Amino acid sequence: DTEVTQTPKHLVMGMTNKKSLKCEQHMGHRAMYWYKQKAKKPPELMFVYSYEKLSINESVPSRFSPECPNSSLLNLHLHALQPEDSALYLCASSQPVGEGYTFGSGTRLTVV
Amino acid sequence: AQTVTQSQPEMSVQEAETVTLSCTYDTSENNYYLFWYKQPPSRQMILVIRQEAYKQQNATENRFSVNFQKAAKSFSLKISDSQLGDTAMYFCAPPGGTSYGKLTFGQGTILTVHP
Repeated sequence: DTEVTQTPKHLVMGMTNKKSLKCEQHMGHRAMYWYKQKAKKPPELMFVYSYEKLSINESVPSRFSPECPNSSLLNLHLHALQPEDSALYLCASSQPVGEGYTFGSGTRLTVV
Repeated sequence: AQTVTQSQPEMSVQEAETVTLSCTYDTSENNYYLFWYKQPPSRQMILVIRQEAYKQQNATENRFSVNFQKAAKSFSLKISDSQLGDTAMYFCAPPGGTSYGKLTFGQGTILTVHP
């Protein structure tokens, strides 16, 4: 299995809702990442988990809460989002050094 | 801070021709990896090619090759025999400065291949 699977593919949520994005990989990768991407812009790193521990938080607002229940799963819990949080959210995984990332196909999030 | 510059926001090429996308970067690391990713309209980020900085030989993957100039911190991507399926946004990704493979992406180059 050489894929990173993200669900859902599309999500529309209100500013008072709570939702979660899910990401799963079965490649034995020990590092997992969340990126946020606006249209025609590069992905921006949000969080890095290495060996299931949060190693990097790029000063992301607390309305985004990551969770890594095990080495194959990565969640992003969303609460009280703003319309400007609408974006494509990409999950990726890798070995910790040097092999490059494998990306999921993303969740297109719209906050209304 | 790591910086990455892709100086060509948009490029176009005719099918079967060759095109080169440029990338320059800054890093204080000595041993590192660099990557080119493509993102077609389907939005999935796909690894195109990978270069190890300590290797003198430029990486090649079928029609894709790089011109890596370590001293100049330049990492360009050459696409030969361009195909319609190469239409995508291309991101250069040099090291982001940690041992966890953190990548910092350039601003991207939108490549359109015309029939």
